[in-house]
Amino acid sequence: DAKTTQPNSMESNEEEPVHLPCNHSTISGTDYIHWYRQLPSQGPEYVIHGLTSNVNNRMASLAIAEDRKSSTLILHRATLRDAAVYYCILRDPYNAGNMLTFGGGTRLMVKP
Amino acid sequence: EAGVAQSPRYKIIEKRQSVAFWCNPISGHATLYWYQQILGQGPKLLIQFQNNGVVDDSQLPKDRFSAERLKGVDSTLKIQPAKLEDSAVYLCASSLEGSFPIGEQFFGPGTRLTVL
Repeated sequence: DAKTTQPNSMESNEEEPVHLPCNHSTISGTDYIHWYRQLPSQGPEYVIHGLTSNVNNRMASLAIAEDRKSSTLILHRATLRDAAVYYCILRDPYNAGNMLTFGGGTRLMVKP
Repeated sequence: EAGVAQSPRYKIIEKRQSVAFWCNPISGHATLYWYQQILGQGPKLLIQFQNNGVVDDSQLPKDRFSAERLKGVDSTLKIQPAKLEDSAVYLCASSLEGSFPIGEQFFGPGTRLTVL
């Protein structure tokens, strides 16, 4: 399985943008990039996914490098509620089915 | 729309005892997953069901863990006998069949198991 590398933790100030990086240098052509987050004492929740193009939704934006070897999850205005562990996951729906392989993720701390 | 339900939320047992967790997925979701999340780590898939058939149980410690999904809806995960290293949060998730290629998974709140 292609692996991802994320910083263990990051800090942000409330109401400022946050850029969460993810490196995936061994990504294959059919791997989708998924982001999930896990709020304290809750199960993970889907945030966003992409293949090649940048993506936006109501929660976040996903910027994918042209060579697809890295991506960045962007929270446009961090709130205290965004404090969570963010997981960057590669998934090949053609080979791995719906399996998600979680790494350690990035713990985001948001300061008021 | 109701989410994935799990019970109990917390369980404390002594080693060598047995324990069972219950999961009710989102209505209509054919695929159900059980994950184990040890403190400080990401969730690890234990078993995946498609309806009431097992798709992947390669990481399930079958000497002590078992899971079933009768009638393709609810599922139970059992540990017998429990060991200290089984202390973790057990997460249940479900997804829609045919949600290719996104396959968004919806997670329950988890059951926190402490083995003393």
